[in-house]
This record gives sequence, structure tokens and C-alpha cells, in this order.
Amino acid sequence: DGGITQSPKYLFRKEGQNVTLSCEQNLNHDAMYWYRQDPGQGLRLIYYSQIVNDFQKGDIAEGYSVSREKKESFPLTVTSAQKNPTAFYLCASSKGQGAWNTEAFFGQGTRLTVV
Amino acid sequence: GNSVTQMEGPVTLSEEAFLTINCTYTATGYPSLFWYVQYPGEGLQLLLKATKADDKGSNKGFEATYRKETTSFHLEKGSVQVSDSAVYFCALILIYNQGGKLIFGQGTELSVKP
Repeated sequence: DGGITQSPKYLFRKEGQNVTLSCEQNLNHDAMYWYRQDPGQGLRLIYYSQIVNDFQKGDIAEGYSVSREKKESFPLTVTSAQKNPTAFYLCASSKGQGAWNTEAFFGQGTRLTVV
Repeated sequence: GNSVTQMEGPVTLSEEAFLTINCTYTATGYPSLFWYVQYPGEGLQLLLKATKADDKGSNKGFEATYRKETTSFHLEKGSVQVSDSAVYFCALILIYNQGGKLIFGQGTELSVKP
């Protein structure tokens, strides 16, 4: 079955460490997105990518980095520069710009906790 | 800029009550509109969508109509169930050379009591 997979589901990080969250999709989608969700709040866009080897900053990109070397993969690195990284992270994909049927599909999320 | 505004929650209803969650948008261009639902600890699932003005999206008893004149996409259900308790997100995406950016409202938490 096609879908979008995030791993791990739970992740613990010590202060000062970088961690990488995985996001893989086998839907042949061009566009991929990373969102951050804090308790009781909506989704804030971190980074998005419309095509391989290209990505754009979202609203809260500081302290995060991404890469898009393959169409199916869009890993997110939370760096030590991110001052408050504890949150629920959601990855999504869609057919992308210009596609008529452009709803996004979401992974199950990764809950990151700084200890 | 482009944005989505939803009514604030939490919304608490009794089972079989009528539900309306308001959503309005601002967009430069011609967006497609969506409602997503999020159950506790999970990702978002697409509930329904509409891709042009006057389209009505529907699924599982929920409906929303794309109103260009009022820039709205309000979610409705005639009779809610306890299992509908979740957070609901209104969203838009701009296609056709607008960058394909997916924009969400802040979410509205719905709690349905037996």
C-alpha cells in the first residue's frame, strides 16, 4: 500500500544534540512538507519542497535543516540551535504545484522530547 | 498574504447535536480547500475537499461548500457522534504557479458528550 512513513514515533534528545527525523513516501509525490505542532496549537510550517534538490523555508525554519536528495525522502534535522524543540512533528506529501488533485497525505508523526 | 482563520475551540456538543465550524480564508489566486481531522496522538486525515467555487465536499456525514463570495468553507454535520471528537483543521493550497504551499488554520477541538 502507498503511504507516508515517519520514524521514529517517539524520540528523546539531550540538550545540545542534533537529531534527524525520517520521512519517506512511496506515493510518487513531488511535494513534501514538515510541520511542527505544539500542544493545543495548530500546525506551523518548517520547510517544504516542491521538487528534488530544492526546498524553501516555512514560517519557523530557524534551528532546523532539511535535504531532498531523493523524491521519496525528506529528512528533517533539529539542530542544537533550536531553543525549544520539544513538539510533535508531522511530515506530509502532495502531488505538488500544478496538480489538480493536490490534497496532502500525512504521516503518523514523531514526538520529540528534549531531556 | 495567504491565510486561514477558524473559529476558536474547544467546541463541546451533546451527541446528535448540529455542528458548524467556521472557516474563512484569504488567498491571492484560486485555492483548493480542505478539511482535515486529527485524532489524539495521530497525524492528519483528509476529511473532505473542494477545488472550485460552489463545490460541495462531503464525507462521513460532514459537508462544506466552497463560497468564493464570502471566502468561506464552513464545516457542518447534522448529528454528531462521540466518535467525532477530534481536532479539525481547515486548509488551503494554491496551485498554478503559486508555489504549492499548504496553509492551515489553527485547528478547532471538538468534544462530543454522550
